[in-house]
Amino acid sequence: GAGVSQSPRYKVTKRGQDVALRCDPISGHVSLYWYRQALGQGPEFLTYFNYEAQQDKSGLPNDRFSAERPEGSISTLTIQRTEQRDSAMYRCASSPSTRTTQYFGPGTRLLVL
Amino acid sequence: ILNVEQSPQSLHVQEGDSTNFTCSFPSSNFYALHWYRWETAKSPEALFVMTLNGDEKKKGRISATLNTKEGYSYLYIKGSQPEDSATYLCAFNKAAGNKLTFGGGTRVLVKP
Repeated sequence: GAGVSQSPRYKVTKRGQDVALRCDPISGHVSLYWYRQALGQGPEFLTYFNYEAQQDKSGLPNDRFSAERPEGSISTLTIQRTEQRDSAMYRCASSPSTRTTQYFGPGTRLLVL
Repeated sequence: ILNVEQSPQSLHVQEGDSTNFTCSFPSSNFYALHWYRWETAKSPEALFVMTLNGDEKKKGRISATLNTKEGYSYLYIKGSQPEDSATYLCAFNKAAGNKLTFGGGTRVLVKP
């Protein structure tokens, strides 16, 4: 596709439910990143992949958060047993290679009730 | 913890005026400094990636400078237009690793 796409764009869930957020990067981009953005603030790093390998997951807040990119393209960020504090905008970005411009997707707005 | 600070947090500019604002970042372990333009409800849009001390980049009426020794970058908007209204985010990429550490942004409002 022309840009990074994410789905769903909005997700409302009840506390305790699991959610899966999807990112479809720009075709051919090697690196894929997940960020979380609170209202009015800059994105905060969660994790990133080169191809299918998860290179850095130091930003994942706890073990309820996990991410995968099994075929080196689409990635899924999963949050288990959601809590209200997980409510935020979750943004995905991709880049042609490491350490180059990161192109951001439209984000998934998650609301945990 | 990396501190990436942007100032001011917000500023109002009269249409036609020029303005600038700052991003400060750690001067050690530097790899790159990124600037993004972000309009609410849209994706952050990449403006510049700067890697060398003394770098100057320009895109239309927007330009940026980089001082890696003292750890700051300026973004300039010349002859501000209402369409320049947005939040401008800087992000620091340290020498080891790929992740970006973002500042809190400078929200610019250009008044006609």
